[in-house]
Amino acid sequence: GAVVSQHPSRVICKSGTSVKIECRSLDFQATTMFWYRQFPKQSLMLMATSNEGSKATYEQGVEKDKFLINHASLTLSTLTVTSAHPEDSSFYICSVTDITLDGYTFGSGTRLTVV
Amino acid sequence: AQSVTQLGSHVSVSEGALVLLRCNYSSSVPPYLFWYVQYPNQGLQLLLKYTTGATLVKGINGFEAEFKKSETSFHLTKPSAHMSDAAEYFCAVTPRASGGYNKLIFGAGTRLAVHP
Repeated sequence: GAVVSQHPSRVICKSGTSVKIECRSLDFQATTMFWYRQFPKQSLMLMATSNEGSKATYEQGVEKDKFLINHASLTLSTLTVTSAHPEDSSFYICSVTDITLDGYTFGSGTRLTVV
Repeated sequence: AQSVTQLGSHVSVSEGALVLLRCNYSSSVPPYLFWYVQYPNQGLQLLLKYTTGATLVKGINGFEAEFKKSETSFHLTKPSAHMSDAAEYFCAVTPRASGGYNKLIFGAGTRLAVHP
């Protein structure tokens, strides 16, 4: 089956700095990737959908200038949290899908803590 | 808009007892339906999914779910709970589409506790 690698698994950063999270599909070409955010004891909330080679589509209420998504290749999407603040602390999970896949594959998640 | 409701944010069962986690969707056209399990600080693992065909779907770890169009439901069951089943369970839906999958919409989740 499809394999998705997400890095880092944990990151602690200072308030005001930027953090980049990578999501790689290791064994197939993913035309579509999704980024979710999950606060403690809550469900996954979709942040944005990215398609390779085009701009990401952000969900309502998600600041596109704060959460920069780049899907420059069929195997890599990145989420950059710019000027992070403590309220951005959360669990971020990527998911990939492709017409060749029978569903979705999720990364293992990134725990971001902003201090 | 598509939505999914999971009744019961917490479910507690005894080891060996029946597990029943409820999921209802709201859309006029039945969507694709999924159940995922999440262990602490981990991503999501697919338990099972329904897209078409037989309405009783069997998944991993002894779980199964039945799609009932008349009840707009896709409840997850397991005949006998194990301690290792303790986790967070999410029901998710996505509209039917050709050429791939749309974004997944998740329910609020149900935390399953299994006690000896």
